[in-house]
Amino acid sequence: EAGVVQSPRYKIIEKKQPVAFWCNPISGHNTLYWYLQNLGQGPELLIRYENEEAVDDSQLPKDRFSAERLKGVDSTLKIQPAELGDSAVYLCASSLDPASAEEQFFGPGTRLTVL
Amino acid sequence: QQPVQSPQAVILREGEDAVINCSSSKALYSVHWYRQKHGEAPVFLMILLKGGEQKGHEKISASFNEKKQQSSLYLTASQLSYSGTYFCGTAQSPQGGSEKLVFGKGTKLTVNP
Repeated sequence: EAGVVQSPRYKIIEKKQPVAFWCNPISGHNTLYWYLQNLGQGPELLIRYENEEAVDDSQLPKDRFSAERLKGVDSTLKIQPAELGDSAVYLCASSLDPASAEEQFFGPGTRLTVL
Repeated sequence: QQPVQSPQAVILREGEDAVINCSSSKALYSVHWYRQKHGEAPVFLMILLKGGEQKGHEKISASFNEKKQQSSLYLTASQLSYSGTYFCGTAQSPQGGSEKLVFGKGTKLTVNP
């Protein structure tokens, strides 16, 4: 079974440039999460989807960040414009059953460097 | 509401035991444990739920004290492959079916030969 797929794995951009990350969750997983992980820290939730609906985006900086999950499968996270402080690893995760506590399956992440 | 993990780092020799702790100031519904190796994705280890239910790998042992809002992960007879950073994630409620996890800062475990 394929795991959570993310691309690109690495991205280097200059500040004020736009950037987009893509995630394909495990087949059949209705819940999708985007996390931000700074060096030496645990993952921090940015947004959570149940199918196509964003059910928790309270931590997403909406002035520059946006996300979408069309058709309830893969998802894109965008930053426009990027700032120096956005340098981090962006992790995508998915889980199967929203009705109970389930493990989250994480992708390998996209490491973003903003110069 | 970020959980506090202790210790921040621990170094072991192969075969030794370790305990990693996770505590919260809020009443918890569940505690999740993950291990992350450098440059890799976090990997699920265990979920402990309010009421005593546990889900996870057979070789991993953990406890959840609901009254104290604390959880401990027990690593016995450590192997080199146990090296990595261990994160606990806590949830205060099922959040309408799916949980919002808040992760601690992690405990870095190094196992030497």
